[in-house]
Amino acid sequence: KQEVTQIPAALSVPEGENLVLNCSFTDSAIYNLQWFRQDPGKGLTSLLLIQSSQREQTSGRLNASLDKSSGRSTLYIAASQPGDSATYLCAVGQGAQKLVFGQGTRLTINP
Amino acid sequence: SQTIHQWPATLVQPVGSPLSLECTVEGTSNPNLYWYRQAAGRGLQLLFYSVGIGQISSEVPQNLSASRPQDRQFILSSKKLLLSDSGFYLCAWSAQGDSPLHFGNGTRLTVT
Repeated sequence: KQEVTQIPAALSVPEGENLVLNCSFTDSAIYNLQWFRQDPGKGLTSLLLIQSSQREQTSGRLNASLDKSSGRSTLYIAASQPGDSATYLCAVGQGAQKLVFGQGTRLTINP
Repeated sequence: SQTIHQWPATLVQPVGSPLSLECTVEGTSNPNLYWYRQAAGRGLQLLFYSVGIGQISSEVPQNLSASRPQDRQFILSSKKLLLSDSGFYLCAWSAQGDSPLHFGNGTRLTVT
């Protein structure tokens, strides 16, 4: 059974810092990996999707990497801003329609 | 562009009452549709998914059911709610194939 772990559960950093969020998974037989952002009381917003054959994806200040063999993904946020404060979730695609989610990292960027 | 609508945003229902949550998608055809539940401290749990009209797959045995009466409409139902059904319910869609998942804004259900 696939298990997805995100560490740390919460992170607080000053504005302007670069930071890395971690995601690990136990079964390397994945279709893809997605990173989402969730603001309090809201739905999830898709940030990046990495196909199983890819090593990384970039969107603006965000860069996500994938190392299937070691069961790890990282989300790198450059030059963090207070508006980046949210919970970030990673999800592993196990089959055509099945995602297994981590518990998320609650990120706070302090002005 | 594609949009997903989910309602109501919040709902308070007594134990034993029925439930109907609706989700519709616009701007795409033949989407995959999903219902997730997010309970405090437990992460997101996939409840149902559908790859086409009338095709429903259930991931977790429970007090809930889902239906897809039209291509872009997905409904989550219960005949009798339990206290344990409380949570944040999220509808999502994706295009066919290896595509990102897009979520609605969710329904906060409190069963009292």
